[in-house]
Amino acid sequence: GENVEQHPSTLSVQEGDSAVIKCTYSDSASNYFPWYKQELGKGPQLIIDIRSNVGEKKDQRIAVTLNKTAKHFSLHITETQPEDSAVYFCAASVMATLVFGKGTRLSVIA
Amino acid sequence: KAGVTQTPRYLIKTRGQQVTLSCSPISGHRSVSWYQQTPGQGLQFLFEYFSETQRNKGNFPGRFSGRQFSNSRSEMNVSTLELGDSALYLCASSLVEGGNSPLHFGNGTRLTVT
Repeated sequence: GENVEQHPSTLSVQEGDSAVIKCTYSDSASNYFPWYKQELGKGPQLIIDIRSNVGEKKDQRIAVTLNKTAKHFSLHITETQPEDSAVYFCAASVMATLVFGKGTRLSVIA
Repeated sequence: KAGVTQTPRYLIKTRGQQVTLSCSPISGHRSVSWYQQTPGQGLQFLFEYFSETQRNKGNFPGRFSGRQFSNSRSEMNVSTLELGDSALYLCASSLVEGGNSPLHFGNGTRLTVT
């Protein structure tokens, strides 16, 4: 079945540095790629998404890039802050549903 | 606008029992999806309902079932509970069906099976 691989599983950065999380997908028909942030005790919250007709999208300190040929997409967080510490999930649309990566635990060290 | 509401927040059940979880979507959202979240398997799709009809189903046994009411509220039921059913069950709503639009998640129901 469709697989979404996410790396790394854990990531520690110093406050102010950048963080990059990468995902790959296998279904060439996937056309929607959201990213979610999950804080302790809460459900995942959408932070940014991109569709297959766009190569890059930015929202303040967060950006996502998509390479359809290579079937991978990445989340970039610049100027990280302690409140960015959370688990981040990528997802790809597959046959009328969303398949999620296993998550990346990001720790921002003050 | 109120977010997705899931009740109860926590449940403790015994093996063999059954359980019903409830989800109220964002007002105006007609699609409700359910996911199971565990540390080992991550987020796994259970099923999606749209206009009271199940539109899509994940790879879970028949013990997992759901339904949607005319007001878009949804319930999921797990019968004959097993220890492995212990997980966070997340409900998400969206404006349209099909996995190509943003999902808005509730905070989940934490089910513990003993």
